[in-house]
Amino acid sequence: LAKTTQPISMDSYEGQEVNITCSHNNIATNDYITWYQQFPSQGPRFIIQGYKTKVTNEVASLFIPADRKSSTLSLPRVSLSDTAVYYCLVGDKEGRRALTFGSGTRLQVQP
Amino acid sequence: GAGVSQTPSNKVTEKGKYVELRCDPISGHTALYWYRQSLGQGPEFLIYFQGTGAADDSGLPNDRFFAVRPEGSVSTLKIQRTERGDSAVYLCASSYWTAPNEQFFGPGTRLTVL
Repeated sequence: LAKTTQPISMDSYEGQEVNITCSHNNIATNDYITWYQQFPSQGPRFIIQGYKTKVTNEVASLFIPADRKSSTLSLPRVSLSDTAVYYCLVGDKEGRRALTFGSGTRLQVQP
Repeated sequence: GAGVSQTPSNKVTEKGKYVELRCDPISGHTALYWYRQSLGQGPEFLIYFQGTGAADDSGLPNDRFFAVRPEGSVSTLKIQRTERGDSAVYLCASSYWTAPNEQFFGPGTRLTVL
């Protein structure tokens, strides 16, 4: 079971780019890397998923090196509303194994 | 369309009582998941349904916890003889079977056992 490790917390200012790196040394061939965002008193929200190289959507970019042992979630020009907990997960692409959430990274964006 | 809904939003009960928590998934989502989340922690997996059957119930902490999804849509999580340690936010999520890692979460039910 691939365990993920990510920083407990990060601070940033509005307008800055934020990069949150996650390590997953034991990632399996069939595993995808998935990131979720959670605001207080809400359920987590899917942000982005990738297998290798780079994935970009309207919210974030996900960078995955060739060895796939880590990944970096990049949030461009954060705003106060990006203050949340961000979870990095490794999931079997066919869902044969339950998603395992860690404690996540608490991002605080300051004005 | 409507997202995942959960009822009640809050439930306060006494130790030893029985509770039922309900989840209405997104229409068309065949996979349904239950998690629970304690303060400051990430969601902890409980059980996963594919259609009507439980595909993985390895996260249920003990036999006081049980979940059903009789028609492959709505699911009910049932907790017998509640204990104070069961207090948490219970989250439900659903997904298409082709995208199991892209789960849509409901707002959760906050359970408080006094």
